[in-house]
Amino acid sequence: AQKVTQAQTEISVVEKEDVTLDCVYETRDTTYYLFWYKQPPSGELVFLIRRNSFDEQNEISGRYSWNFQKSTSSFNFTITASQVVDSAVYFCALSEAGYGGATNKLIFGTGTLLAVQP
Amino acid sequence: DAGVTQSPTHLIKTRGQQVTLRCSPKSGHDTVSWYQQALGQGPQFIFQYYEEEERQRGNFPDRFSGHQFPNYSSELNVNALLLGDSALYLCASSLAGFRDQPQHFGDGTRLSIL
Repeated sequence: AQKVTQAQTEISVVEKEDVTLDCVYETRDTTYYLFWYKQPPSGELVFLIRRNSFDEQNEISGRYSWNFQKSTSSFNFTITASQVVDSAVYFCALSEAGYGGATNKLIFGTGTLLAVQP
Repeated sequence: DAGVTQSPTHLIKTRGQQVTLRCSPKSGHDTVSWYQQALGQGPQFIFQYYEEEERQRGNFPDRFSGHQFPNYSSELNVNALLLGDSALYLCASSLAGFRDQPQHFGDGTRLSIL
């Protein structure tokens, strides 16, 4: 079964703190893709990062970094020196190769609401 | 570069009515997927359209139907509305064959059923 678990429902930090959002996934496929999206109050899902199952290199983009570990089926997201503008709901998502359709459907976790206090 | 656009932004309906939501994909994209996001939940996949045909479908009843037009835009239709259909409906577009590329989302349509 395909599943994405984001155990942290809400996280509250003070500005400039580092924060890590956890994501654990389940899949039987050997080829799959993992994504993080940010959803501000406006509702639009903003793409942050994509990872292929065969590429376990961690990635850093400015204050954002991602840690992908196949051994623990985790794809965690860290924000360094958080800012108020980082406040949003963050979703981790999984898609699998090998299914019909032009593009694979995304399976989302339930999201983590991050509140960064000034 | 036009992103994904959805209309209307908000909609209020009553139980039993029918509704049509519209989506224009990002320029250069040919595939449209629809998702339903209930309050406090992650988006759930409804279905996907490519080449004017439904290609994949999630666990949603037949009351949910769709259409894709030759210009790649799409409609989501919901019949016999139930209170539980109240949600944010998100449209996502992508380019067929590029399975590792992210889907791009619109701002969504907030549907409220009274």
